[in-house]
Amino acid sequence: GAVVSQHPSWVICKSGTSVKIECRSLDFQATTMFWYRQFPKQSLMLMATSNEGSKATYEQGVEKDKFLINHASLTLSTLTVTSAHPEDSSFYICSARRARVGNQPQHFGDGTRLSIL
Amino acid sequence: SQQGEEDPQALSIQEGENATMNCSYKTSINNLQWYRQNSGRGLVHLILIRSNEREKHSGRLRVTLDTSKKSSSLLITASRAADTASYFCATDAKGANSKLTFGKGITLSVRP
Repeated sequence: GAVVSQHPSWVICKSGTSVKIECRSLDFQATTMFWYRQFPKQSLMLMATSNEGSKATYEQGVEKDKFLINHASLTLSTLTVTSAHPEDSSFYICSARRARVGNQPQHFGDGTRLSIL
Repeated sequence: SQQGEEDPQALSIQEGENATMNCSYKTSINNLQWYRQNSGRGLVHLILIRSNEREKHSGRLRVTLDTSKKSSSLLITASRAADTASYFCATDAKGANSKLTFGKGITLSVRP
């Protein structure tokens, strides 16, 4: 159990394009989902925490108008990179945590590699 | 900000040997978690150890936690080539609303 599906796995697009990434918890309900960014050979950097039915909480330095997050249901959160530029190229990973249960791990998607030309 | 700090940063061992990885952190925690990441993939949860636990086992994995020293270790016994990956510790700090803070990671290479 505890499977998280992230789609797409790879995106290559032109500068100025907006890109949407989906994160779904397939077999459990997740009131909270997290979005991370990872640069090559580095650790994960938390971008934002996505709460179902409410506005996302962004980490310091992350532009909320640049990275739009929508968590419309207990199984789906989306990250939209608006007007993407080459510096937005990175590996984006989502994770989900079971609803209202303490001391639980996060379950991660397989990531989305975004390349902006 | 990075709280967990793993060492060593890279580890190369022969198949069959044991691998020990360490993690230190700075603040009070609810739990500490270890994850594995294969190249270009997402993270796979390995073990969660709560702040009131000292040791936990799962198959060939053994995790210890010393809250007085704010440190944890992950031991992989009888390593296999398939264990080659990056390993991260992550802390669920008290008051952090379940946000995880990841260390920089350890790259483990197991030679066949």
